[in-house]
Amino acid sequence: DTAVSQTPKYLVTQMGNDKSIKCEQNLGHDTMYWYKQDSKKFLKIMFSYNNKELIINETVPNRFSPKSPDKAHLNLHINSLELGDSAVYFCASSQDLVYRLAGFTDTQYFGPGTRLTVL
Amino acid sequence: AQKITQTQPGMFVQEKEAVTLDCTYDTSDQSYGLFWYKQPSSGEMIFLIYQGSYDEQNATEGRYSLNFQKARKSANLVISASQLGDSAMYFCAMREGPDAGGTSYGKLTFGQGTILTVHP
Repeated sequence: DTAVSQTPKYLVTQMGNDKSIKCEQNLGHDTMYWYKQDSKKFLKIMFSYNNKELIINETVPNRFSPKSPDKAHLNLHINSLELGDSAVYFCASSQDLVYRLAGFTDTQYFGPGTRLTVL
Repeated sequence: AQKITQTQPGMFVQEKEAVTLDCTYDTSDQSYGLFWYKQPSSGEMIFLIYQGSYDEQNATEGRYSLNFQKARKSANLVISASQLGDSAMYFCAMREGPDAGGTSYGKLTFGQGTILTVHP
């Protein structure tokens, strides 16, 4: 009964290829996120979706395109992979911030991460 | 300016002792949340504790407590009775509220992390 799951866990590919990472959450959350953790362990947000709608899009190259078919899924597609894309990518989910007033916290729960290596 | 600063790249503690991991933050928002996550060598991000900016009491979760000093903008994590399994990277993070502006809404901004090593 994994809360936030990601596939694959490891992804090794050649420069120039296109790849996708899938994320699913079974927590009933409204908001999902993609974060990138670089080789220095620094974590930075890439995207956020709320009820399938894009609400945060940090300065990420156009080669990265998130897709949310429903509020339980947020996939990340990367075109024309580059060496600098090598990192660990984390998916996360949370309750919408508006529910905070009802006593819920908007704690973000993370998936296990996908280690992407571009050769 | 850094929004979240963790000044201790590495910390060492003896098993069964308490340790404090420092975190300072910078925001002009009134409504924000502060979080601590643990990342063991296996790589997953584990949520530890949450403190809301309007919460008057310091948050506690088992052996974890958050020493929240709002005026000083600090949110230090205290781990009591350290265990070998506490050895990991620890991240402090802040979520700003709607007043911070549309692009800040909801996202977590992380500090650089502190590597904690627990010695037997």
